[in-house]
Amino acid sequence: AQKVTQAQTEISVVEKEDVTLDCVYETRDTTYYLFWYKQPPSGELVFLIRRNSFDEQNEISGRYSWNFQKSTSSFNFTITASQVVDSAVYFCALTEVTSGTYKYIFGTGTRLKVLA
Amino acid sequence: DTGVSQDPRHKITKRGQNVTFRCDPISEHNRLYWYRQTLGQGPEFLTYFQNEAQLEKSRLLSDRFSAERPKGSFSTLEIQRTEQGDSAMYLCASSLVGGFAEAFFGQGTRLTVV
Repeated sequence: AQKVTQAQTEISVVEKEDVTLDCVYETRDTTYYLFWYKQPPSGELVFLIRRNSFDEQNEISGRYSWNFQKSTSSFNFTITASQVVDSAVYFCALTEVTSGTYKYIFGTGTRLKVLA
Repeated sequence: DTGVSQDPRHKITKRGQNVTFRCDPISEHNRLYWYRQTLGQGPEFLTYFQNEAQLEKSRLLSDRFSAERPKGSFSTLEIQRTEQGDSAMYLCASSLVGGFAEAFFGQGTRLTVV
């Protein structure tokens, strides 16, 4: 069965610190996609990144970087030099390809608080 | 068209009443999804459409819930005989067809059943 685990319920950091949000997933599919979304207080989920199961290259986008490791079924997200505007709930999600369903399975989210 | 639009943003209803929510997806998106999110949880899949066809429904979607997408454009989600357990944020999302294009979410409709 597919499952996404975000063990960190809440993280608090001081501005300019680096922070890593963990995501561990379970799937029987060999082909799947992983996503990260940000949910600010306004409530709208904002897409950050999509990664397919065949692409294990790490990705960097500005202060954001993602580390995908199939061996440990993890897709971790690091924010470098955090800012107050990064405060939000971050969700990791999984979609399986072989099952033919297009639904996202979300983790329970990690609330990040960046203190000035 | 700047994104997915949901209406209303907030709804308070008495237990036993029927409610209907509307979602207007991004215009060129063929896929439309409904999710439900309760406090402290991630969004849970309810149902999705490709054009006007409803292709999958979650077991979470009881008989009191129904969704439509006439003409493959906007969608409505109706909850009949609301219960307190239906209180949640109802999120709509849309995406392009083709592979696993990322979904774009609306701001949600927060339902409170009193």
